Amino acid sequence: QQQVKQSPQSLIVQKGGISIINCAYENTAFDYFPWYQQFPGKGPALLIAIRPDVSEKKEGRFTISFNKSAKQFSLHIMDSQPGDSATYFCAARAGGSYIPTFGRGTSLIVHP
Amino acid sequence: NAGVTQTPKFRVLKTGQSMTLLCAQDMNHEYMYWYRQDPGMGLRLIHYSVGEGTTAKGEVPDGYNVSRLKKQNFLLGLESAAPSQTSVYFCASSRSGRPYEQYFGPGTRLTVT
Repeated sequence: QQQVKQSPQSLIVQKGGISIINCAYENTAFDYFPWYQQFPGKGPALLIAIRPDVSEKKEGRFTISFNKSAKQFSLHIMDSQPGDSATYFCAARAGGSYIPTFGRGTSLIVHP
Repeated sequence: NAGVTQTPKFRVLKTGQSMTLLCAQDMNHEYMYWYRQDPGMGLRLIHYSVGEGTTAKGEVPDGYNVSRLKKQNFLLGLESAAPSQTSVYFCASSRSGRPYEQYFGPGTRLTVT
């Protein structure tokens, strides 16, 4: 059972464009939603995270939007750059759990 | 600080052989995790530990064992390797109370022939 559904599986964007990755969940006990970025040959690294009491969080060109009623959250990368080419994972954690649940990842390619 | 380190970086095993993957962290984190990453499958949790001397099963524990004898180390063992265990293995750690903020190692690429 996939508790966090991530889409699309792959995404190709031109330099300067907006990259959008979406995640949906069912478990209303989730209370923290991090995003991870993974470059080829490296381990994932925490990129940005949001709590459900906030509808949007922005860090530089990266923005998380959160829709609690729809149980969806998304990552927007503004002015996408070739250096943003990586795999992005959304995740969610239920309160009190030691284990985050990861989406299956989105492979982003930004063409120069 | 080195963060999270993994040994070895690459390994090729024959079916039936055994090996141990070592994870070490120097951040004094309480929680440690082992994941495997396969194409299209994302990160799947194998085992995890919330403290020295404690371990628990994750989503895909079969064929693996773990030990956490020291707080800074988390070992993943394969007793009898199978081709289905060909994967990239990642170790991660996090602070107590913040399991969602995980620090990952660089990974071990394991091929079982």
